[in-house]
Amino acid sequence: AQSVTQLGSHVSVSEGALVLLRCNYSSSVPPYLFWYVQYPNQGLQLLLKYTSAATLVKGINGFEAEFKKSETSFHLTKPSAHMSDAAEYFCAVSDGQNFVFGPGTRLSVLP
Amino acid sequence: SQTIHQWPATLVQPVGSPLSLECTVEGTSNPNLYWYRQAAGRGLQLLFYSVGIGQISSEVPQNLSASRPQDRQFILSSKKLLLSDSGFYLCAWSVFEGLETQYFGPGTRLLVL
Repeated sequence: AQSVTQLGSHVSVSEGALVLLRCNYSSSVPPYLFWYVQYPNQGLQLLLKYTSAATLVKGINGFEAEFKKSETSFHLTKPSAHMSDAAEYFCAVSDGQNFVFGPGTRLSVLP
Repeated sequence: SQTIHQWPATLVQPVGSPLSLECTVEGTSNPNLYWYRQAAGRGLQLLFYSVGIGQISSEVPQNLSASRPQDRQFILSSKKLLLSDSGFYLCAWSVFEGLETQYFGPGTRLLVL
C-alpha cells in the first residue's frame, strides 16, 4: 500500500523567500512521485514528476524537487517565491498504475 | 496535443435532483479516465476510474455512478443528490510517458442546496 503525507496544511512565505513544501511517502515498490499545483477554482496542473532517471527533478515555474530514498521524501522547493505561486500543492505517489494523493499544502505568498 | 473538457463549469442543484457531469478527452485514444471529488478544504478523493468503454471501477460506496459510453467520454451521474455531494469534481485522464501520468480537467463546482 502507498501513502503520502504533506507536513503543513498551510505555509506562508514572503515574496522573494525560499519556498519549501514537504512530502513524505511510503511505498512497497520503487515509487513514482509527482507534484501538482491547483490555482483557485481550477484543475490540477502537473509541476514535475520523478521517474528514477535523476534524483533532482526540475519542473515548470522554477520549481524543483529532490528524491531522497533514505528519507522517503520528495520535497518541493523554489529559490524565490512570487505572488503568482500562491496556490494549493499536491504531492502524489504511484506504483505505476495506482495514484495516491497527499492532502495538499496551501501556499500563501506575502508581499 | 491532448485536451480535456468538463461541463458544466458550475452547477447549483436542489437536494433530490438528478446529476449529470460530462468529461471528454481529445487527442488520444483509449485513455484511462478518472473522477475525483474535492470537498471544501480537503484533498482529492478518487470516485471512479475506467480503463475502457463500459469498464467502471468504483473506489467508494456512494449514491453516484459513472459511465463510459464512448472511448473518450466519461459521465458522472446521480439519481438523487444529497447535500454531501457538494464539492469540486475533477476528471482526469492518464497516459504512459515512461510512467503513467495523470492530467486533469478544469473541474466542475457543484453546490447542492
